[in-house]
Amino acid sequence: DVKVTQSSRYLVKRTGEKVFLECVQDMDHENMFWYRQDPGLGLRLIYFSYDVKMKEKGDIPEGYSVSREKKERFSLILESASTNQTSMYLCASRNPGGGRPTEAFFGQGTRLTVV
Amino acid sequence: DAKTTQPPSMDCAEGRAANLPCNHSTISGNEYVYWYRQIHSQGPQYIIHGLKNNETNEMASLIITEDRKSSTLILPHATLRDTAVYYCIVRVGDFNKFYFGSGTKLNVKP
Repeated sequence: DVKVTQSSRYLVKRTGEKVFLECVQDMDHENMFWYRQDPGLGLRLIYFSYDVKMKEKGDIPEGYSVSREKKERFSLILESASTNQTSMYLCASRNPGGGRPTEAFFGQGTRLTVV
Repeated sequence: DAKTTQPPSMDCAEGRAANLPCNHSTISGNEYVYWYRQIHSQGPQYIIHGLKNNETNEMASLIITEDRKSSTLILPHATLRDTAVYYCIVRVGDFNKFYFGSGTKLNVKP
């Protein structure tokens, strides 16, 4: 089975801190994604990476950056955490299908609280 | 990607079929319909996908109307463990972005 592992289930950080959320997948997937999930808003795409060292902004990239130095690892960085970044963060990975659909696999999520 | 519309919540009796609707009236010819679900405090889980033919797997069936403007996910014998938020997504098969809406909260009751 594909496994997508997020480094922490729960995190509490202070306003202004630099925060790193780590995600590792074990299936050699090319594409990786970071979403945040808030009540009533569903999942919103922050950034995605279609290959090592490649990244593209999603819908809500402000206040975030990402890093993909190795294929299996995709990091989300909050440059200076703010209380409005308190949320559930979800990482996902998939392989492009060459025109055919492929499913995405999700991690368990990291619930981040910024105080 | 086309926008989808789902009811915010639905109830279903345990053991009965759960039929979850989704409207995607702006779907284009090369966009697939996907369904995922999210059980509380877990990441979303893939259920099924289709293009224009009805599909069935061990989890569910997907019925897509002939004009492809709507679809229905069917859980044939809902259990309490099927209580979750169900997301309908339409997207081009190989396109990298993957957008979720607010989904339908399915409550399976004993």
